[in-house]
Amino acid sequence: DVKVTQSSRYLVKRTGEKVFLECVQDMDHENMFWYRQDPGLGLRLIYFSYDVKMKEKGDIPEGYSVSREKKERFSLILESASTNQTSMYLCASRPGVSGELFFGEGSRLTVL
Amino acid sequence: GQSLEQPSEVTAVEGAIVQINCTYQTSGFYGLSWYQQHDGGAPTFLSYNALDGLEETGRFSSFLSRSDSYGYLLLQELQMKDSASYFCAVSPGGYQKVTFGIGTKLQVIP
Repeated sequence: DVKVTQSSRYLVKRTGEKVFLECVQDMDHENMFWYRQDPGLGLRLIYFSYDVKMKEKGDIPEGYSVSREKKERFSLILESASTNQTSMYLCASRPGVSGELFFGEGSRLTVL
Repeated sequence: GQSLEQPSEVTAVEGAIVQINCTYQTSGFYGLSWYQQHDGGAPTFLSYNALDGLEETGRFSSFLSRSDSYGYLLLQELQMKDSASYFCAVSPGGYQKVTFGIGTKLQVIP
């Protein structure tokens, strides 16, 4: 089975802190995605990557950056966390250009 | 850019059939997907349509009309466990982003 693992299920951070959310997939997938999910807004794409060291902005990249140094790992970075970044963050991977996205269990971030 | 519209909530009776519609606008099109998400869980893949027509997987079917930029998810013989949120998603093609709708919360009642 494909497994997408997010490093932390729950995090509480202070405003201004730097936050790292890690995501690892074990199936050699080329594509990886970071979404945030908020009530009434669905899943909104922050960044995605289609290869090592390659990244593309999604719909809401402001305040975020990403890193993909190895194929299996895609990190989301909040350089200076703000309260409006309190959300559920979902990582996903996909083997090719179409078809199924495999999601991790999510990381619920609270910024105080 | 891409945008999708789907109803925010639907209520249906156990054992009945329910259809969740999705209309989309996209600069290119590679396929329409459907995902299910139970409260507190991760989204899981249900179906994918790249060509016009109906795809059936057990009690679930998905339909696509590319000329109408429209698709739907059909759930038959509804069960209480089908209570969840259902998301449609599109990709404009190739190594491109996947955009989701806001999700339809389905409540199945006895």
